[in-house]
Amino acid sequence: SQTIHQWPATLVQPVGSPLSLECTVEGTSNPNLYWYRQAAGRGLQLLFYSVGIGQISSEVPQNLSASRPQDRQFILSSKKLLLSDSGFYLCAWSVNEYQPQHFGDGTRLSIL
Amino acid sequence: DAKTTQPTSMDCAEGRAANLPCNHSTISGNEYVYWYRQIHSQGPQYIIHGLKNNETNEMASLIITEDRKSSTLILPHATLRDTAVYYCIVRKVGGTSYGKLTFGQGTILTVHP
Repeated sequence: SQTIHQWPATLVQPVGSPLSLECTVEGTSNPNLYWYRQAAGRGLQLLFYSVGIGQISSEVPQNLSASRPQDRQFILSSKKLLLSDSGFYLCAWSVNEYQPQHFGDGTRLSIL
Repeated sequence: DAKTTQPTSMDCAEGRAANLPCNHSTISGNEYVYWYRQIHSQGPQYIIHGLKNNETNEMASLIITEDRKSSTLILPHATLRDTAVYYCIVRKVGGTSYGKLTFGQGTILTVHP
């Protein structure tokens, strides 16, 4: 069966520091991959999605970037974190655009 | 993507059916109705989806009106573990949407003993 892993589960970072969150999927190949963010008290917002290695689409302008160096690996990065980058970051995968997305357990990021 | 409207919160007694409504009056022909739920501090969990026919799986039933402008998620025998935020989402497939999900505020369902 397919599984999705995100790490770390929680992260506390100072303003201006870099960020790297990793997401990997097992048990499938060439999945669609997605990064979402949930700010406190708000709904989930799609940040990036990828339909293949090296293919990244950004949904909103922001301080973050995404990369897909391998088929089942999706990385969310920032060179310099802002206070507004705090939130709950979720990675999701789907077989294709017609199938349901399945989410990881998320990373709770706090910026000090 | 079509916008959805859900009640902010609902209560349900344990063991009873929980019926969660959703309005999506501007839904298009190529848009599916999806339901997810999110238990506190966890990632959203897929529940069920449908296009125009009613659907049932091991978790829930989805009833979509004939005009597709509204739907109801039914949890037949709610338990305390069903307490969560439930999201009704209209999802476009095909074209350049790549199946992305747009989450609203959802309905906070509280199941009481």
